[in-house]
Amino acid sequence: EPEVTQTPSHQVTQMGQEVILRCVPISNHLYFYWYRQILGQKVEFLVSFYNNEISEKSEIFDDQFSVERPDGSNFTLKIRSTKLEDSAMYFCASSERGVLTNEKLFFGSGTQLSVL
Amino acid sequence: RKEVEQDPGPFNVPEGATVAFNCTYSNSASQSFFWYRQDCRKEPKLLMSVYSSGNEDGRFTAQLNRASQYISLLIRDSKLSDSATYLCVVIRVKSSGDKLTFGTGTRLAVRP
Repeated sequence: EPEVTQTPSHQVTQMGQEVILRCVPISNHLYFYWYRQILGQKVEFLVSFYNNEISEKSEIFDDQFSVERPDGSNFTLKIRSTKLEDSAMYFCASSERGVLTNEKLFFGSGTQLSVL
Repeated sequence: RKEVEQDPGPFNVPEGATVAFNCTYSNSASQSFFWYRQDCRKEPKLLMSVYSSGNEDGRFTAQLNRASQYISLLIRDSKLSDSATYLCVVIRVKSSGDKLTFGTGTRLAVRP
């Protein structure tokens, strides 16, 4: 089965530092997403991306966050100045035609971000 | 009221038992519904979509009640490998794009 890959699997950073989380969605997929899950809490939507622009973002996705598809394969999430409360597992996901078609959303295995 | 609510559990059941989970959603404009499974510290994986007429996939049956705004998942003949957290997922269309919301999940522990 095709996979969404995320790197790194773990990222430790100091508060105030910038981090970039990387994702390679499945090659023929057009819709891309970032979610996060704070330990013991639910999976939370951050942002969706289609046709090289953000299509939807949550209230969590403030000015400290940005996403980019710098080339034809990578999809990145940047946090400009990390805070302690940004510590979480970040999941990238992709789908071919978007979730409303009842199509499966493929998740990567996540990047565990720890902000010290 | 939370957008998607689930009983966090845990549900502790013996192998072979039948177990049912419910999920309620607050927004009547919600359009699509799913059950995902998440193993500890792993990514969510789609278990099944939920259709209005109800649907079955092997030992798993999902049902939707739009009038009461709840979704259910029934697992028959539980296996040890069914131990996981089951996430209810609801999708709502917004003018700016679709929004997929996860419930907090219900933990299932199947014992020998």
